[in-house]
Amino acid sequence: QVRLVQSEAELKKPGASVKVSCKASGYTFTGHYMHWVRQAPGQGLEWMGWINPNSGGPNYAQKFQGRVTMTRDTSISTVYMDLSGLRSDDTAVYYCARDLGYGGYERYCFDLWGQGTLVTVSS
Amino acid sequence: EIVLTQSPATLSLSPGERATLSCRASQSVSSYLAWYQQKPGQAPRLVIYDASNRATGIPARFSGSGSGTDFTLTISSLEPEDFALYYCQQRSNWPPTLTFGGGTKVEIK
Repeated sequence: QVRLVQSEAELKKPGASVKVSCKASGYTFTGHYMHWVRQAPGQGLEWMGWINPNSGGPNYAQKFQGRVTMTRDTSISTVYMDLSGLRSDDTAVYYCARDLGYGGYERYCFDLWGQGTLVTVSS
Repeated sequence: EIVLTQSPATLSLSPGERATLSCRASQSVSSYLAWYQQKPGQAPRLVIYDASNRATGIPARFSGSGSGTDFTLTISSLEPEDFALYYCQQRSNWPPTLTFGGGTKVEIK
């Protein structure tokens, strides 16, 4: 079954860091870029960046440069998104989302999504 | 950064009616425009990519059109399961940066 399964919800204090995982199954993990998208409560979607699971190379949205780190572990088909310096406005559901393109032909849109991980930042 | 503006914010229609959703880009995005459907408590679902290509499993009543700065998602005859939020998304040129529109809610009249 082709799917992405994310880690459980997190509650963090301001200034802390959070690491969200996303495990892929049912397809060639290294064949598709993986993106991270977040959605604050009642708000729209915000793209955070991507990681190339083959090379490990990331590309981050300018807004998150210096605060976000995306990594992967090919041995367990899992990508991670680490966000530091958390603020209350980082409270959101964080999604991993697979790029539609395959094998170096990225399409930069998302055909498979994880179930989302709620990260709550509160003192 | 390219800004996507969706209109209207809310579309109130009855089942069987035609829905026309608009997405306008602040500068040309060629045909690099996708549409997503999102229902409450669920992750988004890809509906259209590259402006006019239906994603896998999407019914033929969904169609996309446009290029450059003006795009349209049309649902030819609304089914009960089509009432949802719809977002457009673009990717700009190198380095690719992706942005979403603010969304259009299609609600039952």
